[in-house]
Amino acid sequence: DSGVTQTPKHLITATGQRVTLRCSPRSGDLSVYWYQQSLDQGLQFLIQYYNGEERAKGNILERFSAQQFPDLHSELNLSSLELGDSALYFCASSAGLADTDTQYFGPGTRLTVL
Amino acid sequence: DAKTTQPPSMDCAEGRAANLPCNHSTISGNEYVYWYRQIHSQGPQYIIHGLKNNETNEMASLIITEDRKSSTLILPHATLRDTAVYYCIVRPYDSWGKLQFGAGTQVVVTP
Repeated sequence: DSGVTQTPKHLITATGQRVTLRCSPRSGDLSVYWYQQSLDQGLQFLIQYYNGEERAKGNILERFSAQQFPDLHSELNLSSLELGDSALYFCASSAGLADTDTQYFGPGTRLTVL
Repeated sequence: DAKTTQPPSMDCAEGRAANLPCNHSTISGNEYVYWYRQIHSQGPQYIIHGLKNNETNEMASLIITEDRKSSTLILPHATLRDTAVYYCIVRPYDSWGKLQFGAGTQVVVTP
């Protein structure tokens, strides 16, 4: 158990819909990262937040957005969903911004878009 | 960013040491080598990381060559639960934490 929690575990929805994925980082960790893992793309970095502020962006679609709240939990919002958005979404957390900070991953949310 | 090359798959007998190679010939002096593994769609699990010295923890050992162009992850006594995809990642010093995962090595531990 990494200490990172994600809800829900599974999500099934239809094209065009909007969903919210939630992540609670390990106690004391200030950085949160979101990754997407699809069958054809592998694990891809989406976005990073540190203490409530966006710090880095990867190949995140404009239809996707995220935020980190004062209690440090984070939410990833996916809108106008397409079939290709079906994937595993992982959240990770680390202590801060140091380049040697280890990232610990949550169990993931499996999103299925029908 | 430095790229890594790993064999796509390897088998290992239970109880034996598993030696997982990784080539990172374009690594820069301030880039760390990280190893993660992913067991069947679970979240990636941190194993170990290093800069230039060999490292050991309760899970594995990391051997980095003197020129830092390659490394080997050693699982000393592989068990069936070590069956997973193992990722070798070179992490730039100013990466802001982003991890770039490649295809990894599928390790299958057999009885």
